[in-house]
Amino acid sequence: DIQMTQSPSSLSASVGDRVTITCQASQDIGKYLNWYQQKPGKAPKLLIFDASNLQIGVPSRFSGSGSGTDFTFTISSLQPEDIATYYCQQYDNLPLFTFGPGTKVDFK
Amino acid sequence: QLQLQESGPGLVKPSETLSLTCTVSGGSIDLNIDYWGWIRQPPGKGLEWIGSIYYSGSTYYNPSLNSRVSISVDTSKNQFSLKLTSVTAADTAVYYCARHVYGDYAPARFDPWGQGALVIVSS
Repeated sequence: DIQMTQSPSSLSASVGDRVTITCQASQDIGKYLNWYQQKPGKAPKLLIFDASNLQIGVPSRFSGSGSGTDFTFTISSLQPEDIATYYCQQYDNLPLFTFGPGTKVDFK
Repeated sequence: QLQLQESGPGLVKPSETLSLTCTVSGGSIDLNIDYWGWIRQPPGKGLEWIGSIYYSGSTYYNPSLNSRVSISVDTSKNQFSLKLTSVTAADTAVYYCARHVYGDYAPARFDPWGQGALVIVSS
């Protein structure tokens, strides 16, 4: 099975900061990685699909990159409403769709 | 706008069967090639995919739950359902349903999600 790791597990940043989260797969998954945002008490929301495609309606300050085993998720300028936990998810290892352990983003 | 809503008992006794239904509104469950999935999240923990179903009945299940899980679909009601047998306290979680959008060659991403239903396993 493919294992997904995320780093850091948590981070603190200030409004306007650039925030970067990495996700690593234990084997090559090509471009088959998505990113989700989950605010406390809410359902996850799809932000990025196929590693770098911005979901419709998602602000352009969110972006994703990478392929193979190493992926990056970036918030170019952190906003107060971005406080959440972010999860990556792979879909190249059928029949198993695996989420990363999550990265909690809060304010410094 | 597509919306999903989970429903079912919030309390299940150990060894019994957990049953949840997801009602889809704003779109037809059999309209295109997408699947429909269940994901769960134990309190304070991460996300675990449970399984997904196509309107025709074709399914993918998480191998770690395969022996206990069953997902079915009722196109006449625009609903799909989850059954998880022989539950224990470890099955206590918020259960989400979501559209499992088809990608290049298989179901790929989950969007949108229902609001979630907390199910507690306790006697």
